[in-house]
Amino acid sequence: EAEVAQSPRYKITEKSQAVAFWCDPISGHATLYWYRQILGQGPELLVQFQDESVVDDSQLPKDRFSAERLKGVDSTLKIQPAELGDSAMYLCASSLDQSLFYEQYFGPGTRLTVT
Amino acid sequence: AQSVAQPEDQVNVAEGNPLTVKCTYSVSGNPYLFWYVQYPNRGLQFLLKYITGDNLVKGSYGFEAEFNKSQTSFHLKKPSALVSDSALYFCAVRDGEDSNYQLIWGAGTKLIIKP
Repeated sequence: EAEVAQSPRYKITEKSQAVAFWCDPISGHATLYWYRQILGQGPELLVQFQDESVVDDSQLPKDRFSAERLKGVDSTLKIQPAELGDSAMYLCASSLDQSLFYEQYFGPGTRLTVT
Repeated sequence: AQSVAQPEDQVNVAEGNPLTVKCTYSVSGNPYLFWYVQYPNRGLQFLLKYITGDNLVKGSYGFEAEFNKSQTSFHLKKPSALVSDSALYFCAVRDGEDSNYQLIWGAGTKLIIKP
């Protein structure tokens, strides 16, 4: 069964450092999502791509976060500089398309700890 | 405004008993409803969805959910709980009138199945 791949699974970094996360969606999935999840809470959408285009980044803290999906396949989320409040699980998901009835498939996540 | 409510932070059920995890929603248009499950330190897994048609939807691992339009609810159910069902469950909804197709997430319900 196809899966969404994410790396690294765990990352510990010091505040003010740069950190990057990678995601490879299920093959053929046009829509890719990056979420942030605080322990015990629901996921918060950071950015949504349709192919290589950003369709929603309204919740992305653009002063420090950036995301790209250059060839419309895999994607990178970067934080620079990291802050203590960025400690969270970062989840990547993909769906066949962005229409109303397609479910999202999630990767295992990257747990970020900022010290 | 669109919203999802999961009124119980935690649900405790004895193994073998039926379980229900509650979800209510508020949208302007037709609702497109989803349930996801998250095991510890893992990404979210899709369980089932309601798009249209039969109000009782069957999904993975023996779970089902009943769509009730008059009560704006989409409760998750299972006839006989297993200890392995212990996890965090999230309800999510898309609003058919939302051109952004944003997925609105509930806060999650922790399900604990006791042997």
